[in-house]
Amino acid sequence: GAGVSQTPSNKVTEKGKYVELRCDPISGHTALYWYRQSLGQGPEFLIYFQGTGAADDSGLPNDRFFAVRPEGSVSTLKIQRTERGDSAVYLCASSLTFRETQYFGPGTRLLVL
Amino acid sequence: AQKVTQAQTEISVVEKEDVTLDCVYETRDTTYYLFWYKQPPSGELVFLIRRNSFDEQNEISGRYSWNFQKSTSSFNFTITASQVVDSAVYFCALSEGGRGSQGNLIFGKGTKLSVKP
Repeated sequence: GAGVSQTPSNKVTEKGKYVELRCDPISGHTALYWYRQSLGQGPEFLIYFQGTGAADDSGLPNDRFFAVRPEGSVSTLKIQRTERGDSAVYLCASSLTFRETQYFGPGTRLLVL
Repeated sequence: AQKVTQAQTEISVVEKEDVTLDCVYETRDTTYYLFWYKQPPSGELVFLIRRNSFDEQNEISGRYSWNFQKSTSSFNFTITASQVVDSAVYFCALSEGGRGSQGNLIFGKGTKLSVKP
């Protein structure tokens, strides 16, 4: 079956711009996680959705970051007023439910100039 | 506090050698889950194994084996007869299972394995 998909695969933007990153989880998976991976580091947790609600957003670095999952499937991570420090690979993962094995998408590589 | 340490930043071996990747974890929960993921140069994280804290049995899958020891808080990964296709960054991760935990993964910094022909 289809795995987790993420679009775009690459995004180049200018400092101060707004970006949206999309994640399409595995069909039937109710749990969805966003992570951020900087060069040479392991992924770091950003936010977790169970169904439509953000059950844990404790990993979001500041209020420029926001994510939604309005119908309990596709999720969008939104970053306002981007900064150069936001450059990283943004990974999405889904699992059947929380605490189950997470399967990752290919990531979106964001570069803020 | 929860933490995963992968002390080996980079390892280089010659094909057919055996190699062990170390992982040490910290958690206060009695219920937790441990994972290994592989990240090849293409970038996508590939799930390899999941272990829960109540199951200390070692596991073997083909050339891969995992050694879980609660006494030393370690979950090491061994590749037997390594191949060039094993070249990747390998991540160990922890997910806590206590009340209030949401299942998010805590990753180590990864070990970059290079297998040379």
